[in-house]
Amino acid sequence: GDSVTQMEGPVTLSEEAFLTINCTYTATGYPSLFWYVQYPGEGLQLLLKATKADDKGSNKGFEATYRKETTSFHLEKGSVQVSDSAVYFCALLLGFQGAQKLVFGQGTRLTINP
Amino acid sequence: DGGITQSPKYLFRKEGQNVTLSCEQNLNHDAMYWYRQDPGQGLRLIYYSQIVNDFQKGDIAEGYSVSREKKESFPLTVTSAQKNPTAFYLCASSIRGPGPQHFGDGTRLSIL
Repeated sequence: GDSVTQMEGPVTLSEEAFLTINCTYTATGYPSLFWYVQYPGEGLQLLLKATKADDKGSNKGFEATYRKETTSFHLEKGSVQVSDSAVYFCALLLGFQGAQKLVFGQGTRLTINP
Repeated sequence: DGGITQSPKYLFRKEGQNVTLSCEQNLNHDAMYWYRQDPGQGLRLIYYSQIVNDFQKGDIAEGYSVSREKKESFPLTVTSAQKNPTAFYLCASSIRGPGPQHFGDGTRLSIL
């Protein structure tokens, strides 16, 4: 079935370090791909998205490229900040019966130390 | 500002009791969703609704019920049949076509 596998956390980095969080997926069809971020005690916020192969989503210094050949959508940021500490979820979106079904990875907790 | 409002933020349930979680959106979205989040896990779909007066079971619907009498509202009832209800519950909405889902801030349900 459709699934998303994320790099296991927790991930701890120092401020200004380079970040990569790996995400691979298995899906029938051609899903859209998303990264969501969850700050403590809050809901999920959409961070970035890509709707077709080779698309690059970007927002707030984060980037991810939709790689169909490797079925991946890795999240990267060149220089992280303490405020980036949160849980990051990779998700794929498939249309089904007219609705849009989101399938989530298990989440990766990121902690940035000053 | 448009958005999704979930209430209450924290909820406590006694054994054998049904509780209802509220979700209201003013984004004019047709589709609404309920997810459950357990510690260290991703989100799992409980129920979804594409249109008023219609809803479908998701992956873990047992022990839950919903209604969709208004476009703006999609309340979730956690029934006494749900034996492990302690979790963080998230409501989301979206347009009917391809597009991201927008989430509320969640309700944390605990058992007394």
